[in-house]
Amino acid sequence: DVKVTQSSRYLVKRTGEKVFLECVQDMDHENMFWYRQDPGLGLRLIYFSYDVKMKEKGDIPEGYSVSREKKERFSLILESASTNQTSMYLCASSVPGANVLTFGAGSRLTVL
Amino acid sequence: QQQVKQSPQSLIVQKGGISIINCAYENTAFDYFPWYQQFPGKGPALLIAIRPDVSEKKEGRFTISFNKSAKQFSLHIMDSQPGDSATYFCAAIKKGAQKLVFGQGTRLTINP
Repeated sequence: DVKVTQSSRYLVKRTGEKVFLECVQDMDHENMFWYRQDPGLGLRLIYFSYDVKMKEKGDIPEGYSVSREKKERFSLILESASTNQTSMYLCASSVPGANVLTFGAGSRLTVL
Repeated sequence: QQQVKQSPQSLIVQKGGISIINCAYENTAFDYFPWYQQFPGKGPALLIAIRPDVSEKKEGRFTISFNKSAKQFSLHIMDSQPGDSATYFCAAIKKGAQKLVFGQGTRLTINP
């Protein structure tokens, strides 16, 4: 069963901490995405990667960075976590042009 | 900029009833319109999708109705069941693009 795995389902961090969210896919997909899900705001794209070491800003990149050193792994980094980054974070992957995203189960981050 | 507007934000339907969720878009370059279904604790998963060259697509109890001139599309769930209780997202993407634009989401509850 192919899938996208987000290693941390629940995290609680303090303001100012550096936070790493990890995502691994086993489908050999070129594209990987990080979305943020908030009630009433839907899914908002933070960053997108279409190849190893390649990245593109999404709609809300401020306060975030990403790393893609290997095709199967896409990491989201919060350099200095703030309370307004408390949210559900969803990783997804796709084949270019396929228009179908496969999502992970999500990582719920609480910043105190 | 919210390019896909989804309504209602929440919806309660009795078992056996019809659930209707609506979306409107602005960009006429969009040419693929998927719906994603998300159960609690899970990531969204593709439910059904349509291209603008057809006005309707049906898969089991789920139907997408598409109105190109009005730039609107909707999801109809016939004979709604408690197992359909989930959050539903409409989305859109331009031809050749890699990034979906999502609506705000609708939390659907089917009462037994």
